[in-house]
Amino acid sequence: DAGVIQSPRHEVTEMGQEVTLRCKPISGHDYLFWYRQTMMRGLELLIYFNNNVPIDDSGMPEDRFSAKMPNASFSTLKIQPSEPRDSAVYFCASSGGGQFYSNQPQHFGDGTRLSIL
Amino acid sequence: GQQLNQSPQSMFIQEGEDVSMNCTSSSIFNTWLWYKQDPGEGPVLLIALYKAGELTSNGRLTAQFGITRKDSFLNISASIPSDVGIYFCAGQPRGNAGNMLTFGGGTRLMVKP
Repeated sequence: DAGVIQSPRHEVTEMGQEVTLRCKPISGHDYLFWYRQTMMRGLELLIYFNNNVPIDDSGMPEDRFSAKMPNASFSTLKIQPSEPRDSAVYFCASSGGGQFYSNQPQHFGDGTRLSIL
Repeated sequence: GQQLNQSPQSMFIQEGEDVSMNCTSSSIFNTWLWYKQDPGEGPVLLIALYKAGELTSNGRLTAQFGITRKDSFLNISASIPSDVGIYFCAGQPRGNAGNMLTFGGGTRLMVKP
């Protein structure tokens, strides 16, 4: 079975540019999560969706960050304008479960390594 | 916010040795998960624990859900070079509406052949 698919795997761009990261969750999973990983802060949850609806975006660092999930098989994380401190590895994860509660494990994609120059 | 204290932060061991790492929390968790991350890849689930006291094995890996619900450990027996990587614990708090996880800071394992 295909796992969580993220694209691109690597992105290098200049500060001020718009960056769009993409994620395709595992088919049938109704939770989708966006994380950021840095050496200093480890894995941080940015936002998560349930049935395509954003549930908690308290981890989104600034208004420059936005995430959408237009359908069950696709999500984007956008940074506009990008800054050097946004450089990190961004992971998408998905899991199954019910509408209000799930303890099914999250499965991660291989991440997008983002470098803002 | 909630925090998971994972220790040790790093380990450098000889091939064949057993490894033990643990996570503790000040809060109760309903679920404990252990992930491994290889360089350039995302975390991969190793073991999931759902009941206090539960002891689960996956090959050379064994993990336990602490009886107090506030801790978990992961043991790796007879380590081999491919065990190298970063191991993360993650917990789902009790009463969590949804599926949010809290992650530990990771244990970096290095194995000398």
